Amino acid sequence: KQEVTQIPAALSVPEGENLVLNCSFTDSAIYNLQWFRQDPGKGLTSLLLIQSSQREQTSGRLNASLDKSSGRSTLYIAASQPGDSATYLCAVKDNAGNMLTFGGGTRLMVKP
Amino acid sequence: KAGVTQTPRYLIKTRGQQVTLSCSPISGHRSVSWYQQTPGQGLQFLFEYFSETQRNKGNFPGRFSGRQFSNSRSEMNVSTLELGDSALYLCASSFRTESYEQYFGPGTRLTVT
Repeated sequence: KQEVTQIPAALSVPEGENLVLNCSFTDSAIYNLQWFRQDPGKGLTSLLLIQSSQREQTSGRLNASLDKSSGRSTLYIAASQPGDSATYLCAVKDNAGNMLTFGGGTRLMVKP
Repeated sequence: KAGVTQTPRYLIKTRGQQVTLSCSPISGHRSVSWYQQTPGQGLQFLFEYFSETQRNKGNFPGRFSGRQFSNSRSEMNVSTLELGDSALYLCASSFRTESYEQYFGPGTRLTVT
């Protein structure tokens, strides 16, 4: 059974800092990994999707990497801003359907 | 292109009642998945529908059921509500299955009293 872990559970940084969020998964036979952002009480916003054959994806200040063999992914946020404050979730798809297994999330606070 | 929409956004029900939640996927998307989010358990998969057929089901009791219509809209039903069913219910849509990106709706906040 796939298990996804995110460390740290919470993170507080000053504005402008570069930061890394970590995600690990137990079964490396995945189709893809997706990073999401969730604001309090809201739905999930897709940030980046990395296919199993890819090593990284970039979108603006965000860069996600995937090391399938070690069961790890990282989300790098450059030059953090207060508007980046949210919970970041990673999810893996390891089956032919669309079931995602989520990590517990990292709650990020960027202080002005 | 409109995103995933869910109705209603908020709902208050009493223990023992039943509830139906609705999800309209992005136009052209044929796969709809449902998730339950609670502070204690996080995000848990309920079920997935593709072309009106249930493809996957999570580890939830039979009180939780769903269906998908020919226009890809989906509904989920919870019967005999319990206090523990209070949660944010999220719907996600995808063009197909396999490696396509999934897009989530804003959720329905269900409170059971």
